[in-house]
Amino acid sequence: GENVEQHPSTLSVQEGDSAVIKCTYSDSASNYFPWYKQELGKGPQLIIDIRSNVGEKKDQRIAVTLNKTAKHFSLHITETQPEDSAVYFCAASIAEKLVFGKGTKLTVNP
Amino acid sequence: SQTIHQWPATLVQPVGSPLSLECTVEGTSNPNLYWYRQAAGRGLQLLFYSVGIGQISSEVPQNLSASRPQDRQFILSSKKLLLSDSGFYLCAFPGTGGREAFFGQGTRLTVV
Repeated sequence: GENVEQHPSTLSVQEGDSAVIKCTYSDSASNYFPWYKQELGKGPQLIIDIRSNVGEKKDQRIAVTLNKTAKHFSLHITETQPEDSAVYFCAASIAEKLVFGKGTKLTVNP
Repeated sequence: SQTIHQWPATLVQPVGSPLSLECTVEGTSNPNLYWYRQAAGRGLQLLFYSVGIGQISSEVPQNLSASRPQDRQFILSSKKLLLSDSGFYLCAFPGTGGREAFFGQGTRLTVV
């Protein structure tokens, strides 16, 4: 089955710096890759997604890139702010199911 | 608009007691529904998914079961809880794009 690896598990940056989180997947049939942000005590919320026919997608300070050949995708957050602090999850979709990475705890220091 | 409700928000149960967590969705019909568990420091593990009333697929062997008695209702149950059942349980359904998952607010279960 699909396996998703996510790195790093923790990431600490200074406010204003960029943050990058990387994920790899194993099943070449996966064709949808969402990213979720989870704040303490809440359910994850979708922040951006990308489909396998697209290499890059951007939404304000957040961007996602996909390399199908290498089977990896990344989340980029620019000009980080303290409110970006949260746990971020990547996922890969195959059929009707999402397989999640183990998450990255991002801390943005003021 | 599509919404998802999950309750209770927190639950403390003794080992060996039964469990029933409920999830309901609104604003959509015949959705796929999912139960995930998030253990401390771990990712989201898919436990069950359902494509329709009475249709349940289990992803991992475990002490839990799921049922879907109505189109928009999904229930997670156990007859006898184990300590290892502690975790954060999340119900989800696909959004309008049909692929992304919208999550409920979760239930924090502590088995003591």
